[in-house]
Amino acid sequence: DAGITQSPRYKITETGRQVTLMCHQTWSHSYMFWYRQDLGHGLRLIYYSAAADITDKGEVPDGYVVSRSKTENFPLTLESATRSQTSVYFCASRALEARLNTGELFFGEGSRLTVL
Amino acid sequence: GENVEQHPSTLSVQEGDSAVIKCTYSDSASNYFPWYKQELGKGPQLIIDIRSNVGEKKDQRIAVTLNKTAKHFSLHITETQPEDSAVYFCAASIGYGNNRLAFGKGNQVVVIP
Repeated sequence: DAGITQSPRYKITETGRQVTLMCHQTWSHSYMFWYRQDLGHGLRLIYYSAAADITDKGEVPDGYVVSRSKTENFPLTLESATRSQTSVYFCASRALEARLNTGELFFGEGSRLTVL
Repeated sequence: GENVEQHPSTLSVQEGDSAVIKCTYSDSASNYFPWYKQELGKGPQLIIDIRSNVGEKKDQRIAVTLNKTAKHFSLHITETQPEDSAVYFCAASIGYGNNRLAFGKGNQVVVIP
């Protein structure tokens, strides 16, 4: 099915372990984003990408690494997980505004990560 | 950077009544203001958006108003229904264009049958 999918949906890990959250979209959207959602903080941007091989930091990038070797994939890696990274992570994508004249973000279903 | 404040944090309304959520923003260069609805266990979904050259926009039971001078915008939901119960996020573009958004902290709306 077309759309944006995240995996895994649920993950429990331990402090210090490496974790990778996957994000895949089938629309060939240029932009992709990673947000984390925490109670009292809303949605905060971690990293974003305007195209393959182009990534940039968002509001809260420390402790995270991203890559975008292909347009459709945008994995997020926690190189050494900490308890403060326990959160729900959302991936989103967006088409080039110039082409579709829309700023709509399409979100995945989220990945709930617990770091013990 | 852009700072988006959203209030109230929780809103309970009787079914059939109207709900209003207000947001303020700080960056005068922001020109795009979307609203997202998040149902339990799902990702946020765009419900309506407005650009800075428009003061109001309606789509059936929902409307958004924008006051650029005062830097605030509001979501209005009329004739609320139980399926309107959700978390609503406002957002504002960071600078010109809408490559990035700054989100408010969210507002839990509960529609009481």
